Amino acid sequence: KAGVTQTPRYLIKTRGQQVTLSCSPISGHRSVSWYQQTPGQGLQFLFEYFSETQRNKGNFPGRFSGRQFSNSRSEMNVSTLELGDSALYLCASSLGLGPGANVLTFGAGSRLTVL
Amino acid sequence: SQKIEQNSEALNIQEGKTATLTCNYTNYSPAYLQWYRQDPGRGPVFLLLIRENEKGKRKERLKVTFDTTLKQSLFHITASQPADSATYLCALDIRNTNAGKSTFGDGTTLTVKP
Repeated sequence: KAGVTQTPRYLIKTRGQQVTLSCSPISGHRSVSWYQQTPGQGLQFLFEYFSETQRNKGNFPGRFSGRQFSNSRSEMNVSTLELGDSALYLCASSLGLGPGANVLTFGAGSRLTVL
Repeated sequence: SQKIEQNSEALNIQEGKTATLTCNYTNYSPAYLQWYRQDPGRGPVFLLLIRENEKGKRKERLKVTFDTTLKQSLFHITASQPADSATYLCALDIRNTNAGKSTFGDGTTLTVKP
């Protein structure tokens, strides 16, 4: 079956711009999580969506937002980009049905560079 | 504060030896602990999951232990091969949390030399 697909794979933006990243989960997975990965901070949890509702949220400013559509596809948006937002943004999907069902399948990531 | 520490940033071993990676945590009560492998430029790939009531689990050349008293998990790769070279991440899931929010360690980069 197809894996988790993230688009775009690479993008370059300038400070102050905004960006939208897309994630298509594995068919049948209703949970989509987003993580930010940087060399200094490792994998940091952004938020998780389940059945179009944000169910969990990490400690990121409000510039980071997301949504999930009825087909479980998800988007995340970062507004007013800062240099420190340069990172690999990873999307992961899972069944999302509770403890024990949290094995994450990650996409290849979207590499964002902010100049 | 809650903290997850993986033994070292880098681990170098000779092919054929057993690699042992450590994941220590403080101020957590994880119900599950997972190990993932990440290659450069790729997303992490799930390897093993162990529950708090399990002492150990094995999958082919991989073995994981989980000691909730020591607050530690050990991840072993036996008969290591250069293809095992990658970054290995541990991830914790606390009890009664909704799925989708795992907390990751910073990872250990393993290099297996031929």
